[in-house]
Amino acid sequence: TAGITQAPTSQILAAGRSMTLRCTQDMRHNAMYWYRQDLGLGLRLIHYSNTAGTTGKGEVPDGYSVSRANTDDFPLTLASAVPSQTSVYFCASSDSNGGSGQFFGPGTRLTVL
Amino acid sequence: GQNIDQPTEMTATEGAIVQINCTYQTSGFNGLFWYQQHAGEAPTFLSYNVLDGLEEKGRFSSFLSRSKGYSYLLLKELQMKDSASYLCAVIDSNYQLIWGAGTKLIIKP
Repeated sequence: TAGITQAPTSQILAAGRSMTLRCTQDMRHNAMYWYRQDLGLGLRLIHYSNTAGTTGKGEVPDGYSVSRANTDDFPLTLASAVPSQTSVYFCASSDSNGGSGQFFGPGTRLTVL
Repeated sequence: GQNIDQPTEMTATEGAIVQINCTYQTSGFNGLFWYQQHAGEAPTFLSYNVLDGLEEKGRFSSFLSRSKGYSYLLLKELQMKDSASYLCAVIDSNYQLIWGAGTKLIIKP
């Protein structure tokens, strides 16, 4: 059972370059999320999608965009990376009820130089 | 504003019991989660409380008091593999998950 996968595992990116972080789930969950996790700050929500075709802004959306063309995929794009976007990025999904919690992918460690 | 408070770090001894507290002030309440996160790994679901009281699951128990905006995670018979960060998260009135910064638990032999 794959669950939720992310790619790449890690990446070093030059400032000003664009990049898309990939996230795919096979649990048929309606809701998906992108978080960044920085030391001492905990998980911060970047964008979310309650169902295919809809997206919403989280706590820290600036500099990031997402799309949700289908149920399984939820890519996160950095149009022009800046060093402050250096972080660990987690994708997560949950069913509509949400009571089962969110299931997390393994994360992408991104360094912007 | 919305706020979740947890201790930054705690230390306990193998075989002992530890209680990790979480207090919250959120716009509405629709449930509280505890997650475990080992260093370099993704968070994994531990427990969910929506009603007051204690939920027991093996060595781990989670307690909730909605009137006090308070929860705790109780870990019994501590093992070295329990060394991890423990994250408290609350579902608010908009069904958004608000996360605490996590408590790093260090287990000593």
